[in-house]
Amino acid sequence: GAGVSQSPRYKVAKRGQDVALRCDPISGHVSLFWYQQALGQGPEFLTYFQNEAQLDKSGLPSDRFFAERPEGSVSTLKIQRTQQEDSAVYLCASSYGLAGGSEETQYFGPGTRLLVL
Amino acid sequence: DQQVKQNSPSLSVQEGRISILNCDYTNSMFDYFLWYKKYPAEGPTFLISISSIKDKNEDGRFTVFLNKSAKHLSLHIVPSQPGDSAVYFCAALGGGSNYKLTFGKGTLLTVNP
Repeated sequence: GAGVSQSPRYKVAKRGQDVALRCDPISGHVSLFWYQQALGQGPEFLTYFQNEAQLDKSGLPSDRFFAERPEGSVSTLKIQRTQQEDSAVYLCASSYGLAGGSEETQYFGPGTRLLVL
Repeated sequence: DQQVKQNSPSLSVQEGRISILNCDYTNSMFDYFLWYKKYPAEGPTFLISISSIKDKNEDGRFTVFLNKSAKHLSLHIVPSQPGDSAVYFCAALGGGSNYKLTFGKGTLLTVNP
């Protein structure tokens, strides 16, 4: 079946511009995660949704970052007034059940590569 | 401070030989470990995992070994194939969160024909 999809795949933004990144999780998956991967680094956790509820946003770097999942399926990560340090790959992942069981594999999308000039 | 460390940025092996990828961690509260494989322009794909109550888990050509006392795990691929060429990430769960994956920086494996 279809995996996690993300759009756009690439985004170039001018410093100060707002951007919105979309994630379509695997159908029926309850849990959704966003990660940020800087160049040469591993992915770092940003936020976690269980259905439409954002249960953990401890990884969001600043209040310029905002995520939502209003109907418990598609999620949008919004970055306001982008800065050069926001340049990274933004990965979305979903898992079938309630996160918290170690056996709940997170399935990742291909990511959105954001470049802020 | 990096809690999951992959100290080898790259590894090159010949087809048919064994590939050994290493990972160290510092947080003794981690209790579940995973390996992800990543091809260019794709997201990480789950490969194999191990719980801290075990010291070995095997799945086909892939075996993960866990040494809790040394806070070290390794992924063995035998025999290595050119299609295994990818970046391999070690990740951990636990330490206060059982859903927040903590990743290492990754090791680029190249398997030469």
